[in-house]
Amino acid sequence: RKEVEQDPGPFNVPEGATVAFNCTYSNSASQSFFWYRQDCRKEPKLLMSVYSSGNEDGRFTAQLNRASQYISLLIRDSKLSDSATYLCVVMKRGGQNFVFGPGTRLSVLP
Amino acid sequence: EADIYQTPRYLVIGTGKKITLECSQTMGHDKMYWYQQDPGMELHLIHYSYGVNSTEKGDLSSESTVSRIRTEHFPLTLESARPSHTSQYLCASSGFDSTGEQYFGPGTRLTVT
Repeated sequence: RKEVEQDPGPFNVPEGATVAFNCTYSNSASQSFFWYRQDCRKEPKLLMSVYSSGNEDGRFTAQLNRASQYISLLIRDSKLSDSATYLCVVMKRGGQNFVFGPGTRLSVLP
Repeated sequence: EADIYQTPRYLVIGTGKKITLECSQTMGHDKMYWYQQDPGMELHLIHYSYGVNSTEKGDLSSESTVSRIRTEHFPLTLESARPSHTSQYLCASSGFDSTGEQYFGPGTRLTVT
């Protein structure tokens, strides 16, 4: 079993739709959590950190459930420019430190 | 924009050649990483470093080697390139604070013919 697992995707949604991505992690010692975005043939970039209380940044909302070891990302009012692969990332103390999930690809269609 | 640089951006080279992919960052980060990623596939960690003179192998077995003689510099070397090494190589760095994000370079797209 992978340490970080994500919805396999791809997600094809129309503009304006709301879409939610799920991520689960297996290491209960994980400390910090992030969502990264990777455009085709580009490097990953931080989209947002995920806090225990949940956090929102414009159309994006991230939630963390430590008891269930589950992270989610909600995108409201999808734009064409949201098309990308979304990577769930877990940071743990020691070892390789950052663990990337396999990613979920989103295509927002006109 | 992150201050992390990779050269070359694109490299096409013949089998058996020795190559070094350069990665430098000007953020003073202690931690640096090398990832390998094939098109449309997930990132695989191949090497990482927690500071000068520290290097570790990642999850994915790799025939490459790395060195960390200076904080800002983390080059990756392939002694004898093979077609199976064709991939994108991404360098990243992060600070030692507990909530630090990783900053990625633009990547080197390597093709071995």
